Amino acid sequence: DAGVTQSPTHLIKTRGQQVTLRCSPISGHKSVSWYQQVLGQGPQFIFQYYEKEERGRGNFPDRFSARQFPNYSSELNVNALLLGDSALYLCASSLVGTGVNTGELFFGEGSRLTVL
Amino acid sequence: DAKTTQPPSMDCAEGRAANLPCNHSTISGNEYVYWYRQIHSQGPQYIIHGLKNNETNEMASLIITEDRKSSTLILPHATLRDTAVYYCIVRVKTNFGNEKLTFGTGTRLTIIP
Repeated sequence: DAGVTQSPTHLIKTRGQQVTLRCSPISGHKSVSWYQQVLGQGPQFIFQYYEKEERGRGNFPDRFSARQFPNYSSELNVNALLLGDSALYLCASSLVGTGVNTGELFFGEGSRLTVL
Repeated sequence: DAKTTQPPSMDCAEGRAANLPCNHSTISGNEYVYWYRQIHSQGPQYIIHGLKNNETNEMASLIITEDRKSSTLILPHATLRDTAVYYCIVRVKTNFGNEKLTFGTGTRLTIIP
């Protein structure tokens, strides 16, 4: 079975540009979360979407937005990129709401964004 | 979510048991202890979780103290592939949301040949 898939795997942008990152959850998972991991630190929570509704938001500026589609895939958008947005962006899905939720998050391999 | 404290780094000889400690003195009664690990440049991988009883699966064992203020992750026979950053996280498990994990800086475990 396919795990959580993310695209693109690597990308380079310049300051002020906008970026869209994509995530496909594991089949049957309805919840998708996004995390930012800056080099040398643990992942930081950005958003969670469940059944296409935002269920949680971390301490990130409004330049960060996300959405979830009817097929439960998700996009993370970041506008007006700053140098400090350079990071590994991780997507995770889970079985929350399915009745067999163990609380485990399944992470993708991430999208590495470099802002120049 | 409660805060956790872990040593920044540890070494373990290949084939020996690796014991990774975690302090979570402010844990609430409904918070679980979860362990994840992150091998270099990959996404975090779930290892194990527990509430108050000791747990074991094919990857590891989790020992939680009776007062639940600390726990230990045990990798019984460490291999070189176990070299990773290990994160101890405490959180409430819900049925409809709150999938936020609060990661600290974790313990960088290095397995020595």
